[in-house]
Amino acid sequence: NAGVMQNPRHLVRRRGQEARLRCSPMKGHSHVYWYRQLPEEGLKFMVYLQKENIIDESGMPKERFSAEFPKEGPSILRIQQVVRGDSAAYFCASSPEGQGVGAFFGQGTRLTVV
Amino acid sequence: AQSVSQHNHHVILSEAASLELGCNYSYGGTVNLFWYVQYPGQHLQLLLKYFSGDPLVKGIKGFEAEFIKSKFSFNLRKPSVQWSDTAEYFCAVNTDKLIFGTGTRLQVFP
Repeated sequence: NAGVMQNPRHLVRRRGQEARLRCSPMKGHSHVYWYRQLPEEGLKFMVYLQKENIIDESGMPKERFSAEFPKEGPSILRIQQVVRGDSAAYFCASSPEGQGVGAFFGQGTRLTVV
Repeated sequence: AQSVSQHNHHVILSEAASLELGCNYSYGGTVNLFWYVQYPGQHLQLLLKYFSGDPLVKGIKGFEAEFIKSKFSFNLRKPSVQWSDTAEYFCAVNTDKLIFGTGTRLQVFP
């Protein structure tokens, strides 16, 4: 059973471009969570999704950021018109229904905006 | 709002020393508690978790943590650290989503 898969591992974007980060949850997991880790800071919750639904997006910046988890395919975190301050490691986690977020994190995508 | 505080930002130890990392949380209801470790350049790995039952939880690699409800604490301990324990350690509390502390960087010198 493959773990949570994130790609790409590293992503470089110029200011103003779009960044798309993908997360494939573990098999059988229908809940996905996105976190952002800034240098010298802990992980900050961004958004919690179930299939085709956004459950909690209280940690998402109001502009330029969006997330989806379609019925088929991976969850996507999309950042439009990236700025230098978006440079961070973005982690995805998944869990089976009803168990909350526990053990299963992906390896993260390190976004660098130049 | 839920929050997690980790008091030690940077801890430096020699091998074989004992370790205790503090973690306090603020939430009045039922919580699940976690400690994660992040080795340099790697993703988060679960060390241990507390959902209910025995408040002394044993995890992987010789780590343990004690949940003290009256103190809202979940401190991580290891009796004798190794150089390979050098990493960043995160405490987290979960109700419907994980809230992380800011992490403690542990450096162990041979």
